[in-house]
This record gives sequence, C-alpha cells and structure tokens, in this order.
Amino acid sequence: KAGVTQTPRYLIKTRGQQVTLSCSPISGHRSVSWYQQTPGQGLQFLFEYFSETQRNKGNFPGRFSGRQFSNSRSEMNVSTLELGDSALYLCASSILPAQGLTDTQYFGPGTRLTVL
Amino acid sequence: GQQVMQIPQYQHVQEGEDFTTYCNSSTTLSNIQWYKQRPGGHPVFLIQLVKSGEVKKQKRLTFQFGEAKKNSSLHITATQTTDVGTYFCAGLIYNQGGKLIFGQGTELSVKP
Repeated sequence: KAGVTQTPRYLIKTRGQQVTLSCSPISGHRSVSWYQQTPGQGLQFLFEYFSETQRNKGNFPGRFSGRQFSNSRSEMNVSTLELGDSALYLCASSILPAQGLTDTQYFGPGTRLTVL
Repeated sequence: GQQVMQIPQYQHVQEGEDFTTYCNSSTTLSNIQWYKQRPGGHPVFLIQLVKSGEVKKQKRLTFQFGEAKKNSSLHITATQTTDVGTYFCAGLIYNQGGKLIFGQGTELSVKP
C-alpha cells in the first residue's frame, strides 16, 4: 500500500500570503489529522477530520483551517501567514476512530513551510 | 489544558549504553503510543499500550505503562547507532474527545 502523501514538500511564502497544503491518506484510511512541528514547540495538534467532518481541533487561531473531501483527501489552509508559521506540517491518517478514540497515526513526509 | 510532559529533552549516550525516556501526563490516559522520528524523517509508530501496568517488548526496546495510566517509559538496552532519532510519546485523552497529545520528544544521539 502506498503511504501518506503530502504536497508540496517544500514551500516558501511571504508574510500576509495564504497557503494550501494537501494530504492523501493511505487507501482505506478515513481519518486525517494535521500537526505542526517546530523545534521549540514539538508536535502540536491542529485538527482531525473524519468523514468530511472536523472531529477534533487543537488550540490554533482561526487562520488555520482545513477540510476533508469524500475520498478522504484533506487540505489545510493558513491565511495571513506570519513568520511564526514557519514549520513542518505533518499529516497523519488512521483507519478510523475506534470507540471514538484516535487510532495509530501513519504520518506523511510533511510539508516544510518557510515564511519570509 | 492537558499536557504530556516528556523527559529528558536530549540524551547523548555511548554506543552500548542503555537509554530511557519518560512520559508523564496530568490526566489519566486511555492509551499511550510511542513514535520514532529519524533525523529529516517523519514520526513512525512503534507501539501502543492500553492496559494499566502493561509492559511490551520489541527486541531491545521495552515499553511500560504506569499503574495509574498517567506515565510511561521507553527503555532501550545496549543502544546502537541505528537508534538515533527523536522518540515521542503520545497520550490519548478520552475526555478530550479522543485527542492525541504528543510529548515534546527526547532526542537521542549515539556515539560509536
């Protein structure tokens, strides 16, 4: 099975711009989560989508948004970029939430976003 | 909010020495997962512990889940250079709607 894929792998933007990142989960996985990884803050949970609905949300400002399509592919959007948004954005998929709990996360390679 | 604290942040060992990283939560966890991220790579799932007091082994790696389901540890016996990377614990907090909270990670370097 192909793993989780993320596009683009690298991105350079300037402050004030917006960006859209894409994630294709492992075939058959219906839950997609997004994480922000920075050297100072570690892995921070952004949000989780299941069946096109946001199931969980982390503590990020409204500039960060996402969605999931009927084929389970997901996109994440960051508007009005700030310097502090520079990070590795990781997408992870899991089969489905069992008993309402997030299952094992299979991570993609990430998108490295640099904001100048 | 709920946090999962992981220590130490960095650990430098000589090849052959043992290594342990600890994870503590302020809240009872439904389960705990461990991941390894190699330099330049992405986190890869290692194991999941669910039961109170559970101990699991994977070759030289031993994982423990505390009796109160608030802490966990990963112990590597006789480290090798292939063990280099950052080890993350991730706690599942049930009353947070099934949110997975990652620890800060422990970066392990192994000197040959």
